[in-house]
Amino acid sequence: NAGVMQNPRHLVRRRGQEARLRCSPMKGHSHVYWYRQLPEEGLKFMVYLQKENIIDESGMPKERFSAEFPKEGPSILRIQQVVRGDSAAYFCASSLGLAETYEQYFGPGTRLTVT
Amino acid sequence: GNSVTQMEGPVTLSEEAFLTINCTYTATGYPSLFWYVQYPGEGLQLLLKATKADDKGSNKGFEATYRKETTSFHLEKGSVQVSDSAVYFCALSDPNSGGSNYKLTFGKGTLLTVNP
Repeated sequence: NAGVMQNPRHLVRRRGQEARLRCSPMKGHSHVYWYRQLPEEGLKFMVYLQKENIIDESGMPKERFSAEFPKEGPSILRIQQVVRGDSAAYFCASSLGLAETYEQYFGPGTRLTVT
Repeated sequence: GNSVTQMEGPVTLSEEAFLTINCTYTATGYPSLFWYVQYPGEGLQLLLKATKADDKGSNKGFEATYRKETTSFHLEKGSVQVSDSAVYFCALSDPNSGGSNYKLTFGKGTLLTVNP
C-alpha cells in the first residue's frame, strides 16, 4: 500500500507566479490535512479537507491560498502570486477517519522556493 | 496558544550511545503528545504517543513519558543505531481546543546523526 504521495518534491517559482502542490492520500483515506513549515519553525496546520469539502481552513492565510480535494484525483494546495515569504516545506497528511481517532500519515513534503 | 519547544540540533552520536531529545510544551488544555520521525526522503512517521499524564509511549527502543508537572515529553533511547539517523519532531494535539484536536502543533525538529 503506497504511502501519501506529494509532487513535485521541489518547486521553484518566481515572485508573482502560481504554485500548485499535489497530494495523493493513502488508499482508502478520505481526510486530508495540509501543514506548512517555514524556515526555522515547526510544522503549522493550514487546512483540513474531506472529499469535496473544506472542514477547517483556520490556518490558511486569508489571501492567495486555496485548497481543494475533489471527488476524483489528488488534493491541491494552490498559491497565487507567490512571494518570497511563501518559501517553505508544505506537508500533506491523510487519515482513514477524523484524526482525533485515527493516525495522520504524512507525505515527504514539497519544498517551495520563491526567487 | 499551543506551542512545542524541542532541543536544537543537530545532534551527533556514536553508535550505542544514549539519546535524549528534550521537548517541552505549552497548551491551554490537556494535550496528547507525539514523537514523529522523518527518515531521509520520506514522510513523517508516528514513532510513539501518550494521551494522558504519566503515560509512557514506547516503540523501536524509543520511549517518552508524559510529565504534566514539568510539561515535558523527552525522547530517550538507551543505545542508538546508525539506522536511527533522522529528524525527530515533537508534537501535540489539544483535545480541548474546541474539538479541533486533529490540528497537530509541532516543534522545529531535531536532526540526529549516528556514526558507526
